[in-house]
Amino acid sequence: DAGITQSPRYKITETGRQVTLMCHQTWSHSYMFWYRQDLGHGLRLIYYSAAADITDKGEVPDGYVVSRSKTENFPLTLESATRSQTSVYFCASGDYQETQYFGPGTRLLVL
Amino acid sequence: AQTVTQSQPEMSVQEAETVTLSCTYDTSESDYYLFWYKQPPSRQMILVIRQEAYKQQNATENRFSVNFQKAAKSFSLKISDSQLGDAAMYFCAYRREDTGFQKLVFGTGTRLLVSP
Repeated sequence: DAGITQSPRYKITETGRQVTLMCHQTWSHSYMFWYRQDLGHGLRLIYYSAAADITDKGEVPDGYVVSRSKTENFPLTLESATRSQTSVYFCASGDYQETQYFGPGTRLLVL
Repeated sequence: AQTVTQSQPEMSVQEAETVTLSCTYDTSESDYYLFWYKQPPSRQMILVIRQEAYKQQNATENRFSVNFQKAAKSFSLKISDSQLGDAAMYFCAYRREDTGFQKLVFGTGTRLLVSP
C-alpha cells in the first residue's frame, strides 16, 4: 500500500545503546523529515532531507544521525541513547513546499 | 523567529454541536501557509485543512472550516456537527513561503473531548 511507514512502533532501550528508527515512504516525495513530540513542546524538527544524500539539521539535532541513500528511506539513529531522548518520533514526507504527510510514529523509551 | 500559540490546552463539545479551536501566530512575513493537523489516540498526524496566506477566502473541508484573520494573525478552526471521532489533539502549524526549505512550526496542541 502507498504511504509512509515507521518501524518499530515501540522500542525500549537502555542508556548508551545505539538505536535506529526506520522510515519508508512509497510516494516518491523528495523531502523527508524526522520530528520528536514531547509534552509541552508540540512537534520539533530533528533532521530533514531534500533528496537522496542531502540532509540538514532541524531545531534539535544533537545526539541524532540520519542518512538517506535511497529516496524512499530515511533512518534516524540515536548513537548513544539518553533518557532525554525518550519521546514519540514521527517521520514525514512531502514534496517541496507541499503538505507534509506523517507516519504513525515510534514510541521510544530509554531506561 | 516564528511562533505558534494555542492558548486552549483542552476543549469540550457535545456531539452535533460546534466548537472553535484558537490559534495565533507571530510572523513578519507576508507569504506563508497555515495548517491544522489532527492527532487521534492512534498518534497518527492527519492533515485537516490548509490555508494559503495570500488567499482571502477561508478554507473549508466538509465539517471543518477556518477563520483566517491575517491582520490579527489568527487562524481558528471550526468543527461543525461534532462527532465522537473528532476527539483528538489538534495542532496548528505555520510554514513560511520562501525559496529553499522552510520548516513547519507547531503549536503545543489543543485536546478536544467529544461527549455523547
